[in-house]
Amino acid sequence: DIQMTQSPSSLPASLGERVTISCRASQGISNNLNWYQQKPDGTIKPLIYYTSNLQSGVPSRFSGSGSGTDYSLTISSLEPEDFAMYYCQQDASFPPTFGGGTKLELK
Amino acid sequence: QVQLQQSGAELAKPGSSVKISCKASGYTFTSYYISWIKQTTGQGLEYIGYINTGSGGTNYNEKFKGKATLTVDKSSSTAFMQLSSLTPDDSAVYYCARGLRYYYVMDAWGQGASVTVSS
Repeated sequence: DIQMTQSPSSLPASLGERVTISCRASQGISNNLNWYQQKPDGTIKPLIYYTSNLQSGVPSRFSGSGSGTDYSLTISSLEPEDFAMYYCQQDASFPPTFGGGTKLELK
Repeated sequence: QVQLQQSGAELAKPGSSVKISCKASGYTFTSYYISWIKQTTGQGLEYIGYINTGSGGTNYNEKFKGKATLTVDKSSSTAFMQLSSLTPDDSAVYYCARGLRYYYVMDAWGQGASVTVSS
């Protein structure tokens, strides 16, 4: 299985700040990388698919980039509702696998 | 709107089985696969497998073969996951999610179903 390593595991940040979360795959995944947000109530929603495509309804302050084994999610200016858990996930090969998560916390 | 409504929390004894449901609405059920994902504090998110809701075909993560059985009832637009021979390690929150295929983003998720295995 492809291992996904996310960093940092915890990210204290302030409102309006720009933040970046990284995700590294144990082998190349050809841009088959998605990002999800999980709120404290457990609700999970997709943010970005295929590295850099914004899911419908997701604010444009979210963006994704990367290639090969290294990918990132950037939030350009943090809003109160952005403080949550974030997960990367590869679907280049079966089974899909997830990163360990990044907890975005209010500083 | 697209919704996946999961069944409620389960408390089960070791050695028993549970069956979790995931009722879909707001879209053509058979146009999307349903995947199942396990979430624990220790192991994070783990992909269990998917079911092709049109054909009933399944594919399981090797780790969950023999543990999970995925089925579907097209007449009620509902997917099911049965977990058998439960142990405390099966205690987790289980999510269903839809995707066009397993290699597409999972664009709608259920609210999660908590399973606690305890004597």
